[in-house]
Order: sequence, then structure tokens, then C-alpha cells
Amino acid sequence: QLQLQESGPGLVKPSETLSLTCTVSGGSISSSSYYWGWIRQPPGKGLEWIGSIYYSGSTYYNPSLKSRVTISVDTSKNQFSLKLSSVTAADTAVYYCARCIAAQLNNWGQGTLVTVSS
Amino acid sequence: QSVLTQPPSASGTPGQRVTISCSGSSSNIGSNYVYWYQQLPGTAPKLLIYRNNQRPSGVPDRFSGSKSGTSASLAISGLRSEDEADYYCAAWDDSLSVSFGGGTKLTVL
Repeated sequence: QLQLQESGPGLVKPSETLSLTCTVSGGSISSSSYYWGWIRQPPGKGLEWIGSIYYSGSTYYNPSLKSRVTISVDTSKNQFSLKLSSVTAADTAVYYCARCIAAQLNNWGQGTLVTVSS
Repeated sequence: QSVLTQPPSASGTPGQRVTISCSGSSSNIGSNYVYWYQQLPGTAPKLLIYRNNQRPSGVPDRFSGSKSGTSASLAISGLRSEDEADYYCAAWDDSLSVSFGGGTKLTVL
């Protein structure tokens, strides 16, 4: 059964870069048809799509975050990663990774809380 | 502010039928499939409806989805206490991004 697990620092200082990794198990990240995405949810608020990547490296990003976001993939490790630069308190959220086809997010990680604070 | 518009809350008593609306535009709901997600308290969202009205295996047929023009709806019949959760609609947008609704908190009275 496919499983996704987010990992990375739970605390990031303002103006620094948030870095998270999603490890995929029970399936190959190189599977055709599927993209791999990041979604976040500020405490007490709704879901926000950050972006997604295909195993070949093709990416789609949320236009409102595009200037600060980089999503990359490492097929040898069956992982994909998120980098969000110049973070502020507004970037404090639970960050989820997911397997997706466009807006169909079939499998989700459990999520990881990242707090932006000095 | 979310691209797709949902009512912030909905409620019903056990056994009732409730509907949750989701309004978008021609660039998202109007030209792409709609998806619904259920998020139980403290857990990750779960795919509830895909391609407007299809249920993944394991989702009870009490849940149904529909779409008309630039709007969509999620209906829950035979409401149960375990249905109390947040519900989100989503759709691909022609600007090459995913749009989510702001979410609807369903309370079972």
C-alpha cells in the first residue's frame, strides 16, 4: 500500500528557507500518470495547493507562491522535496505531500507542522 | 481568499440529507472535473468524490457529487455522527494550478 511521509525541521526562522522532503514507500515515484504534490493548511484554516512535480521534473506551481517555491524530485531515493524561501509567519502551516493527478489527490501523507518564528 | 466558494458551515440531524455547494468559474469547475475531500478532526484530508460524481472504493453511497455549469454540490444522505468533518471542493484551473474551496464545517446536531 502506498505511503507518503513528510520530514524536515518543525521550526524555521523568518526570512529563511523552509525545506521538506516526502518519502514514498510501497510504490515507485517514477510511475507514469501520477504527479507528486505539496499542499499546506495554516492552523484553523483551509487547504492551499503549493505545487506538483512529475518524475521527469516537470512542475506546476501556485501562481501566488511561484516566486518563492521550488519542488524537486530524486527518483533514486523515491523522494520529492519542497523549498519555500523568504518565509514569514504567514507560512506557518501543516504541510502535506500527496500523490496526484491534477486536482485528484489520492494519497496523502500525515502532514508535518512547520512554525515560522524567531 | 479561496478561488472556489463554499459556505463556511452546514448542519443537520442524524438521518437527514445535507448538501454543500461549491461555486467556481469557467476556468476551473466550468471546464474541469470537481473533487471533494473529507477532513476528520486532526487528520489528513481524504478523497471522497472524484471526477464530479465518482466514489473511491470504501466510500459509502450515502455520499454523492454533482456538477452543473460552474457549480458543484456534495450531498450526504442518512447523516451520521461520524460525518462531522470539514469538506473541501477542488478543481484544476486552466491557469495550470489546483483551486480549493475554503472548506465547509459540517456539524451533526
